[in-house]
Amino acid sequence: QAHLVQSGGGVVQAGGSLRLSCVASGFSFGTFGIHWVRQAPGMGLEWVGVTSYDGRNNYYADSVKGRFTFSRDNSQNTVSLLMNSLKPEDTSIYYCAKGQRAAAFYTLDHWGQGALVTVSS
Amino acid sequence: QSVLTQPPSVSAAPGQKVTISCSGSSSNVGSHFVSWYQQLPGTAPKLLIYDNYARPSGIPDRFSGSKSGTTATLTITGLQTGDEADYYCGTWDNSVSVVFGGGTKVTVL
Repeated sequence: QAHLVQSGGGVVQAGGSLRLSCVASGFSFGTFGIHWVRQAPGMGLEWVGVTSYDGRNNYYADSVKGRFTFSRDNSQNTVSLLMNSLKPEDTSIYYCAKGQRAAAFYTLDHWGQGALVTVSS
Repeated sequence: QSVLTQPPSVSAAPGQKVTISCSGSSSNVGSHFVSWYQQLPGTAPKLLIYDNYARPSGIPDRFSGSKSGTTATLTITGLQTGDEADYYCGTWDNSVSVVFGGGTKVTVL
């Protein structure tokens, strides 16, 4: 059974940086894309972006493009999200999630437990 | 403003049925598989329905999905108190992004 465990998160001042990590187990990690999704307090889900199975192709939401960067280490079954130039509106719970099969890579079939990021102004 | 449109809330008594609609366009719902996610209070979302109507292992058949044109629908029959949660539809959009609905809160009366 696929399992994703997140770490990182915390409180950071506006303009600062933070890194989140997501460690996977229970599946062939290097075969699947990993998505990041965030949820502001009391709000709905917002897609942040996706890193491909090999880390060579990354797609970002317009709201984070140029500030957020994905990286992955398939030898360690780990994906990281580096967030720079953080803004108060980036305050959210951040989830990593595994993409399903290639034909439906945008179906998120397993999710991490989430990591809270609070950006103070 | 979410790309996909869902009703903010639905409610019904235990044992009854609720339906949740997810309206999109030809660039998302009309062209790609739709998934549904259940988010119980204080927890991460969980995949409930994929490929418009398929259920992952362990999801009871009280949950069903369908799609017609640019609208997808989630139906929950035999409603239980444990079904109280937020439900989100999601799919791919040709603008190169995953898109979600705004979420629907299900209340069991």
